[in-house]
Amino acid sequence: LAKTTQPISMDSYEGQEVNITCSHNNIATNDYITWYQQFPSQGPRFIIQGYKTKVTNEVASLFIPADRKSSTLSLPRVSLSDTAVYYCLVGRPYNQGGKLIFGQGTELSVKP
Amino acid sequence: DSGVTQTPKHLITATGQRVTLRCSPRSGDLSVYWYQQSLDQGLQFLIQYYNGEERAKGNILERFSAQQFPDLHSELNLSSLELGDSALYFCASSASGDTDISPLHFGNGTRLTVT
Repeated sequence: LAKTTQPISMDSYEGQEVNITCSHNNIATNDYITWYQQFPSQGPRFIIQGYKTKVTNEVASLFIPADRKSSTLSLPRVSLSDTAVYYCLVGRPYNQGGKLIFGQGTELSVKP
Repeated sequence: DSGVTQTPKHLITATGQRVTLRCSPRSGDLSVYWYQQSLDQGLQFLIQYYNGEERAKGNILERFSAQQFPDLHSELNLSSLELGDSALYFCASSASGDTDISPLHFGNGTRLTVT
């Protein structure tokens, strides 16, 4: 099982770009990297998923180096509403079921 | 809106009682997952069902049980409730398939308070 390590917390200001890095040294060949965002008292929300190189969608970018032992979630020009906990998960949902471990996540605080 | 519906949103009950939490997955999703989130434990996986069959089990207590019905909705039954069972209970669903990489889509949870 690929264990992930993320910073526990990060602070930023509105309008800045935020990069959250996740380490997953024992990622398996078939594993995908998925990031979720969670607001207080709400369920986690899917942000982005990737296998290698770079993936971009309307809310974020995901950078994955060639060795895939880490990944970086990039949030461009954050706003106060981006204050949330961000989780990095490694695996394949269907095959691993509960082995998709939500760690402590990174608590991002965006200040005015 | 994730498309996953959980009811009720809030539940207050006494120790020793039994409750049932309900989840309707996104249209077309065959897999349902249950998670428990408490302040000191984070998100803990309980159990997964795929098309009516148990697929994976986490640290689910023997006092807890779940099932997935033919219409794919799922219920989580919690019995002999203890104060420590107070938590947010989330249901998630995903698409099916052995090669599936579809992410999980979560409902907004049921907040259980045991007094």
